[in-house]
Amino acid sequence: EVQLVESEGGLVKPGGSLRLSCAASGFTFSNAWMAWVRQAPGKGLEWVGRIKSKTNGGTTDYAAPVKGRFTISRDDSKNTLYLQMNSLKTEDTAVYYCTTGGLGVWGKGTTVTVSS
Amino acid sequence: DVVMTQSPLSLPVTLGQPASISCRSSQSLVYSDGNTYLNWFQQRPGQSPRRLIYKVSNRDSGVPDRFSGSGSGTDFTLKISRVEAEDVGVYYCMQDTHWPFTFGPGTKVDIK
Repeated sequence: EVQLVESEGGLVKPGGSLRLSCAASGFTFSNAWMAWVRQAPGKGLEWVGRIKSKTNGGTTDYAAPVKGRFTISRDDSKNTLYLQMNSLKTEDTAVYYCTTGGLGVWGKGTTVTVSS
Repeated sequence: DVVMTQSPLSLPVTLGQPASISCRSSQSLVYSDGNTYLNWFQQRPGQSPRRLIYKVSNRDSGVPDRFSGSGSGTDFTLKISRVEAEDVGVYYCMQDTHWPFTFGPGTKVDIK
């Protein structure tokens, strides 16, 4: 069964950092482009960014609101995707979903709250 | 950035009746490879989103055939032939032709 399981989120103060991870199983992770999408409370879906497979260069792309603050990375030996979030702002409060690059598979999401 | 608009934003439907959601993009979604990367997602209350349709009209595995997608260029439609109770939720269109990829605002479908 194809599965994506995000790590637990948490409560972080503005300006703080948090790293999310996403454990993948049931498919060849190393071949997959992966992405993070978020959803603020009561709002719609918003792209955070994506990472290509290493065979496609392993490069990353980010949405403007997070560029320079968030970093997506992957460890293909562990079938794990990461989202390093720095300089967090209150507007980063959201449920963060790990997805495959084409958004065909989604994790259950993890809640990140940025508040003092 | 490509702006995605949807209409209506709220859609009360009668069980067993058809429903239709429109999605428009601010520029053509035809990619250089000739494909049009327009997707539809369903998000039931309290659940993660689920992709229903990719590349305009291709249903994902396990998606009932009462869901269909159509359109071209900048105008797209998701149709539900006969609405069932389990179809309640928010539906989003999303383009992944032009980075940054963008979602529509969502259409909330509920039962009259």
